[in-house]
Parts: sequence; structure tokens; C-alpha cells
Amino acid sequence: QVQLQETGPRLVKPSETLSLTCTVSGGSINNYYWNWIRQPPGKGLEWIGYIYHSGSTNYNPSLRSRLTISMDTSKNQFSLKLSSVTAADTAVYYCARIQTVTGTSDFFDYWGQGTLVTVSS
Amino acid sequence: DIQMTQSLSSLSTSVGDRVTITCRASQSIGSYLNWYQQRPGKAPNLLIYAASSLQSGVPSRFSGSGSGTDFTLTISSLQPEDFATYYCQQSYSPPYTFGQGTKLEIK
Repeated sequence: QVQLQETGPRLVKPSETLSLTCTVSGGSINNYYWNWIRQPPGKGLEWIGYIYHSGSTNYNPSLRSRLTISMDTSKNQFSLKLSSVTAADTAVYYCARIQTVTGTSDFFDYWGQGTLVTVSS
Repeated sequence: DIQMTQSLSSLSTSVGDRVTITCRASQSIGSYLNWYQQRPGKAPNLLIYAASSLQSGVPSRFSGSGSGTDFTLTISSLQPEDFATYYCQQSYSPPYTFGQGTKLEIK
């Protein structure tokens, strides 16, 4: 059974960089798209971006200028860095896997439990 | 970006009811539409993918339909554990986008 676990600081100061890591266990990181998704308290879901095992990435244009997603295949981990954060970046951050099915809709099939990151001084 | 709109943000309903949740895309997305259930404090859980395919392990009272721009999620007979928030999500093209969610509340 594939499991994902987010780790990283829960409190980040305004203007600093938010950093999270997702560790994948129970399966290989290869041949999948690995995603970050966030959810501000009491609000809906926002896709942040993904990285493929080859290292190629796709970012949400609304965050692209501040965002870096990277991968360490040797550790079965991928990471998120979001710079110049403000209170608007306070959210539960989830990592998730995309399952691709040829000719049909891709979907998020495995999710981490999520971690609340608060931006505050 | 493709905008996903769920017309109802909340719906009061009762155990045993048949419930339909709707989702509209701002442009045609074929069948590239997924549905998730989210319980409080938990990660979303996939229910339906490709508009109408039931994810393994999901009860058969859940079903999905639609294509193009209009989609529905139907729960045939609501169970107590189904009171949660439901999101649609398009995977037609990045950035992947979600509807704002429909919360099922106990009447």
C-alpha cells in the first residue's frame, strides 16, 4: 500500500520560504507524477504543481514565480519550496500521486494526511 | 485556466435520500472529470474518475455521469458516513482545478 507523508516546519515567517518534503513508501516514485495541493482553512483545494520522476515539472501559473518542486529518487522523496510567503499561503499542504490511465482521466489516487503550515510572525 | 463550478456550496439532506451534486466546467473537458469526498480533518478520497468510473473499494451507491461541461455525482441512498464535502476536479489540462465543494449537511 502506497503511503505519503508530509514533513517540514509548521510555522513560517512572512517573506520567508516555506519548505516541505513528501516521503513515499510502499511503492516506487518512478513512472508517476507527484503533486502538491493546498487547502486554506475552511476553503477549497488548489493544485500547486507536479514533478515527474524524470524531473520535469508543471506549476500553477498563479504560484510559478515563487515555486520550486524537486525530487530525490534515491530517498523516494519530493519537495516543495514556496518563497516570499504571506498570510495568504497559510494552508493545509497535501502531497498526492497522479495515476495516469491511457486515454482517460488522470486522477489523484494516493494522498498524504496533510500538514497545516501557518505563515505568521 | 478551466473554471469548475459546483452550484451548491451546501445541501441539507437526510439518511436514505437520493442526492445529486452538480459540477460545470467553463469549457468542454470530455470525460476528464473526477469526484472526491473529504471528511473533516482528512485528505480527499477519490470516488469517481473519468466522469463515471467507480474507484476500487468505493460503495456502489456512488455513481457519476456527464461529459463535456456538465457532470453529476449521485448517491443513491445516503448513509451517515456520507455527510462530508464533495469536490469535482478536472484533469483535462493543467493547472488542474477543483470545484469549490458541496457540503452535505444533516437536515
